[in-house]
Amino acid sequence: AQTVTQSQPEMSVQEAETVTLSCTYDTSESNYYLFWYKQPPSRQMILVIRQEAYKQQNATENRFSVNFQKAAKSFSLKISDSQLGDTAMYFCAFLPPQGGSEKLVFGKGTKLTVNP
Amino acid sequence: DAGVTQSPTHLIKTRGQQVTLRCSPISGHKSVSWYQQVLGQGPQFIFQYYEKEERGRGNFPDRFSARQFPNYSSELNVNALLLGDSALYLCASSFAGSRQYQPQHFGDGTRLSIL
Repeated sequence: AQTVTQSQPEMSVQEAETVTLSCTYDTSESNYYLFWYKQPPSRQMILVIRQEAYKQQNATENRFSVNFQKAAKSFSLKISDSQLGDTAMYFCAFLPPQGGSEKLVFGKGTKLTVNP
Repeated sequence: DAGVTQSPTHLIKTRGQQVTLRCSPISGHKSVSWYQQVLGQGPQFIFQYYEKEERGRGNFPDRFSARQFPNYSSELNVNALLLGDSALYLCASSFAGSRQYQPQHFGDGTRLSIL
């Protein structure tokens, strides 16, 4: 069974600084998708960034970028120029390639606080 | 365009009762998935429905059931409620009809509290 591990339950960063959230996963599959989702107190799960395992190039979305290390099964999220609105729970998620399955496997999350 | 909508937003039940949660997907989305998020944990997959057929089921007891209607909306039913069923229930929808993966979009969830 696939598992996702987020080893940092909580992190904090000063506004405008950079922070990196860690994620490791376990799978025997060679092709899959990885995601970072943000969940603010409003509860809605918002997709931040995604990475296809067959792509070597790391995904970027504005201030958000990932460091995808396939051999190490590591998928960290870097947030640059942190903003107060980045305060939220961040979940790393894995999607195995199971013929149309949408079964996301989530980690336990990292609570990020951006301080003014 | 409207996002994924879930109702009700908050629900309080007692042990042994039954509950039905509802989800309307984004227009054009044919796949609906349900997740349970216990406080302090990440969401756990319960069901996926696509074109009214069950496409996936997570490790949940038979007390949990779901269905999808011709308009692609979905209901999640939980019977014989236990205290441990207290959680945020999230619905996600996706197009799921193209060769390129289309990400899931989540609703705001239904907070279920069991007394």
